[in-house]
Amino acid sequence: EVQLVESGGGLVKPGGSLRLSCGASGFTFSNAWMTWVRQAPGKGLDWLGRIKSKPAGGTIEYAAAVRGRFTISRDDSKDTLYLQMNSLRTEDTAVYYCTTTGAECGGDCSNFWGQGTLVTVSS
Amino acid sequence: QSVLTQPPSVSGAPGQRVTISCTGSSSNIGAGYDVHWYQQLPGTAPKLLIYGNSNRPSGVPDRFSGSKSGTSASLAISGLQAEDEADYYCQSCDSRLSNWVFGGGSKLTVL
Repeated sequence: EVQLVESGGGLVKPGGSLRLSCGASGFTFSNAWMTWVRQAPGKGLDWLGRIKSKPAGGTIEYAAAVRGRFTISRDDSKDTLYLQMNSLRTEDTAVYYCTTTGAECGGDCSNFWGQGTLVTVSS
Repeated sequence: QSVLTQPPSVSGAPGQRVTISCTGSSSNIGAGYDVHWYQQLPGTAPKLLIYGNSNRPSGVPDRFSGSKSGTSASLAISGLQAEDEADYYCQSCDSRLSNWVFGGGSKLTVL
């Protein structure tokens, strides 16, 4: 059974940094393309970026809103996905989800989601 | 403002059929990118409901169906059940933004 467990969320001041982790199990993580999506309180879904598997080139793509501030990385030896968030703003307050990116849709949809971790940016 | 436009709310009585529209443009749906749909039950993470415009993942009832035409797509839910009450989101890719893009979401109320 695919399981994705996010951690590392919490309260951080504007301008601060936070690193989220996503532990994966139930599938071959090293072959998986992974995505981060966030959802501000009471709002819709917001794509942050995608990292391909190393066999597929390991390419990382970012949404314009977070490019230069957020960094996606992976440690295949630990079956873990990361999201390093710097220069955080109040508008980054959201639940952050990690997802697997489905081969059935050419890597362009999220077929499994974690439960999410809440990040609150406030002074 | 979302790149893909969905009605904020839809409703229907148990047993009825409802449709949720998702309107894009020539840089996303109209450019040939597939549309995917997600269901988010209250207090839970989204779940993939339809992928590749009209395909259902294993375990999704055939009461849910999707279609795409031109710059728009639709999700249809037939035989509405109380458990279908949820938020529904469409998603595609956009060549101009080099992003995935989501609709703003549609809240389905089962009357």
